[in-house]
Amino acid sequence: QVQLVQPGAEVKKPGASVKVSCEASGYTFNTYDINWVRQAKGQGLEWMGWMNPDSGNAGYAQKFQGRVTMTRNTSMRTAYMELSSLTSEDTAVYYCARVWGRCGRTSCPPSDFWGQGTLVTVSS
Amino acid sequence: SYELTQPSSVSVFPGQTATITCSGEKLGEKLAYWYQQKPGQSPVLVIFQDNMRPSGIPERFSASISGNTATLTISGTQAMDEADYYCQTWGSSTAVLLGGGTKLTVL
Repeated sequence: QVQLVQPGAEVKKPGASVKVSCEASGYTFNTYDINWVRQAKGQGLEWMGWMNPDSGNAGYAQKFQGRVTMTRNTSMRTAYMELSSLTSEDTAVYYCARVWGRCGRTSCPPSDFWGQGTLVTVSS
Repeated sequence: SYELTQPSSVSVFPGQTATITCSGEKLGEKLAYWYQQKPGQSPVLVIFQDNMRPSGIPERFSASISGNTATLTISGTQAMDEADYYCQTWGSSTAVLLGGGTKLTVL
């Protein structure tokens, strides 16, 4: 069965970076893009970007351009999302999600499987 | 910028029909997807391709899209359907656009 496994939590200081992992199993990793979505406590879902595990190409939401980098290690079937220059406003649960196909420059199919989320807390 | 607007909350009695809307300019010319998220859980895709349900999603979930509005309908709403619901499409400059979410309360 398809599974996306994420670490439970990360704690970072303001100004630092965080790199969240997402280990995939149960399907051919290179065949489906990965979305990253975050959710602050009590708030809605916020899309951050997508990554193609086959090519390594990525597309980022305008809000996060210059501050986010999405990469992968195909041998480990793992996707990564790194967010830099953290502030308290980045405290949120970060989800990876498998895209049901490939994202294009202007659109993405829906996300059919989601990880359990990683709580990133930014605090001094 | 392009936005998707959802009501913040919808209430329904058990057994009744719940309707959740998602509005955006020219939404009828795009595809709309719907997610369900229960407290403390990850989102679950409930509708794709406007009105298709993934395996395991009950038939009481359906959707439609017309003009500027996509609608998620839950027929015979059950207590287990109480959750937050989000719509998704794409925007003029963004590959993924998410609505603000609607909290469905089953009274």
